[in-house]
Amino acid sequence: DAKTTQPTSMDCAEGRAANLPCNHSTISGNEYVYWYRQIHSQGPQYIIHGLKNNETNEMASLIITEDRKSSTLILPHATLRDTAVYYCIVTDAGGTSYGKLTFGQGTILTVHP
Amino acid sequence: DTAVSQTPKYLVTQMGNDKSIKCEQNLGHDTMYWYKQDSKKFLKIMFSYNNKELIINETVPNRFSPKSPDKAHLNLHINSLELGDSAVYFCASSQRRTRKETQYFGPGTRLLVL
Repeated sequence: DAKTTQPTSMDCAEGRAANLPCNHSTISGNEYVYWYRQIHSQGPQYIIHGLKNNETNEMASLIITEDRKSSTLILPHATLRDTAVYYCIVTDAGGTSYGKLTFGQGTILTVHP
Repeated sequence: DTAVSQTPKYLVTQMGNDKSIKCEQNLGHDTMYWYKQDSKKFLKIMFSYNNKELIINETVPNRFSPKSPDKAHLNLHINSLELGDSAVYFCASSQRRTRKETQYFGPGTRLLVL
């Protein structure tokens, strides 16, 4: 699976948009970009994933650059409950990786009042 | 109506003991996983079963033995526990489909070996 690079930590004011970047310059054509988050003391939670088109769901939006070498997770109106570690993972989940998710250090997002 | 449940939530035991952690999912998924999160918060996959067949077996000491009695259950048995086994163990499940798997994680089992 391709390696990802994320900032160690970020801050965001409550009610503002949180934009979390991820670099994955070695991504291959059959690999998806997945985002998970882990709120303190809980199990990781799936947020969103995409291949090359931008995606949006009830939790977030995912913007993938045209060359697919980087992406941005957008939480449009961050709340205090969004404070968590956010993981960007690149994988052909379901393909030859058999669903293996390789978690890096992630980005610690702190949302403050 | 918890999707992925684990028991126990906390486990404190002595070195050398044998213990088991249980995981159950009611999502109808065909694939289940065990992950370990150590004190430095790194989350690493250990095992995965698809339809009761072992498909991922990372470099894990053979003191760890997963068992899947059916698609809804994946248990983890640990023999001769060591201090370094102290960690949070997460179970997860997914429905295997080409390149669109989404994993659902349990709440974790916090294991402390004294």
